[in-house]
Amino acid sequence: SQQGEEDPQALSIQEGENATMNCSYKTSINNLQWYRQNSGRGLVHLILIRSNEREKHSGRLRVTLDTSKKSSSLLITASRAADTASYFCATGLTTDSWGKLQFGAGTQVVVTP
Amino acid sequence: SQTIHQWPATLVQPVGSPLSLECTVEGTSNPNLYWYRQAAGRGLQLLFYSVGIGQISSEVPQNLSASRPQDRQFILSSKKLLLSDSGFYLCAWSQGIKGYTFGSGTRLTVV
Repeated sequence: SQQGEEDPQALSIQEGENATMNCSYKTSINNLQWYRQNSGRGLVHLILIRSNEREKHSGRLRVTLDTSKKSSSLLITASRAADTASYFCATGLTTDSWGKLQFGAGTQVVVTP
Repeated sequence: SQTIHQWPATLVQPVGSPLSLECTVEGTSNPNLYWYRQAAGRGLQLLFYSVGIGQISSEVPQNLSASRPQDRQFILSSKKLLLSDSGFYLCAWSQGIKGYTFGSGTRLTVV
């Protein structure tokens, strides 16, 4: 099974609402990252949070990390139609020194005007 | 600035035919390079990664191979494609513990 698993698998909200998605992982990590993928495109890096950090912000994005629960959340505030995409969490394992990431299956977010 | 180029964007190949997908990176040196495959509606599966010229590590035994003939060039190949090789192939680069930069992907359909 995959290291990171996002929840929910799909999320449908209206513009202006907040979107929250969660990621759980199984083994010890040194960092966790979130990516966005528009349909049929490559992934775009959104934010990286290191294992010794608990929260990071970037614009309308807020990421939290709880290493004791092996979980992370991504919050998109005041969502826009352009936020419609799939969102993936990816983990960098402490046992890996080459920067490899393991990706979850993603959360598909649809924001309706 | 750093850029990554991946081509072709789409490819339809018959079963048993060879494959060559190319990825090049500009604006950086000695990047870590990765090939991922994404099945429809699924997450990414790491296929190969490389930390230097000629250094290739395979994550999943399969019908594919990878090569890195130059510092910023990463090639994914197959001698004989299978139906199960269909998918969306993504190349990415990184340096240190930083975010990946992905190419735009190649949609491969094996028929």
